[in-house]
Amino acid sequence: SQQGEEDPQALSIQEGENATMNCSYKTSINNLQWYRQNSGRGLVHLILIRSNEREKHSGRLRVTLDTSKKSSSLLITASRAADTASYFCATEGGAQKLVFGQGTRLTINP
Amino acid sequence: DAGVIQSPRHEVTEMGQEVTLRCKPISGHNSLFWYRQTMMRGLELLIYFNNNVPIDDSGMPEDRFSAKMPNASFSTLKIQPSEPRDSAVYFCASSSYWAEAFFGQGTRLTVV
Repeated sequence: SQQGEEDPQALSIQEGENATMNCSYKTSINNLQWYRQNSGRGLVHLILIRSNEREKHSGRLRVTLDTSKKSSSLLITASRAADTASYFCATEGGAQKLVFGQGTRLTINP
Repeated sequence: DAGVIQSPRHEVTEMGQEVTLRCKPISGHNSLFWYRQTMMRGLELLIYFNNNVPIDDSGMPEDRFSAKMPNASFSTLKIQPSEPRDSAVYFCASSSYWAEAFFGQGTRLTVV
C-alpha cells in the first residue's frame, strides 16, 4: 500500500526554471525521504528530513516538511536537462518500514 | 562496497515456472526491502526484514510469493508458479537504522 501521494504526476518545465513537487501522506512518520529514478534504473536517495525538522537543503535541492498538514515539498532550483527523471517521496513510519508514493515524472526541456 | 547486488538483471520465463530473484545487501545494513514496480501500480513494498527477520509481508500479493533471508548477506524472493501478471521490475534495497535506503539495479521479470 502507498503512503505518500505526489503531486503533480507529471511536470514539464524549461531549463533554468524551478521545479516544485509535493507529497502528502496519511499517518505519522519518523522521517520522510526523497528519491530520484532515471528510466530503467534503481532509485537514488536525495535527501532525508526528520519529523522534527521543517526545512533542509542540499545543493540545488530544498525540502520542506509540515507534519501538521502531513505534507512535504521538494524544490529543485535552476533546473538542468540532467534533472529529467522521476522523483519519489517515501515515508518511514516505524520499524524502518519505507513506503513510497507514485512519483512525479519531471521533464526539463532544453 | 559494491552496493546492493541483484541477480539476475533480466529474467524471461514461461507461465507456471518457478522464479527466484536474489539480493545481496550492503554489508552492515540491518534492513532489507523487496519492492515491485509496474506502470499501473507504481512502487509497491512487498516485504521487508530487520536483522534477517521478516517484519511486514502484508504487501506480498498471494501465496505464490515467498521471501527468505537466511543470513545478513543474502535474500531471495521466489514466485511459484509464475503468472504473466507478475511481470514487473523487482527491486531490492537495504538500509541501516532509519537512514536512507540504497537500491539495487533491479530484476526485470517477464512471464510469457
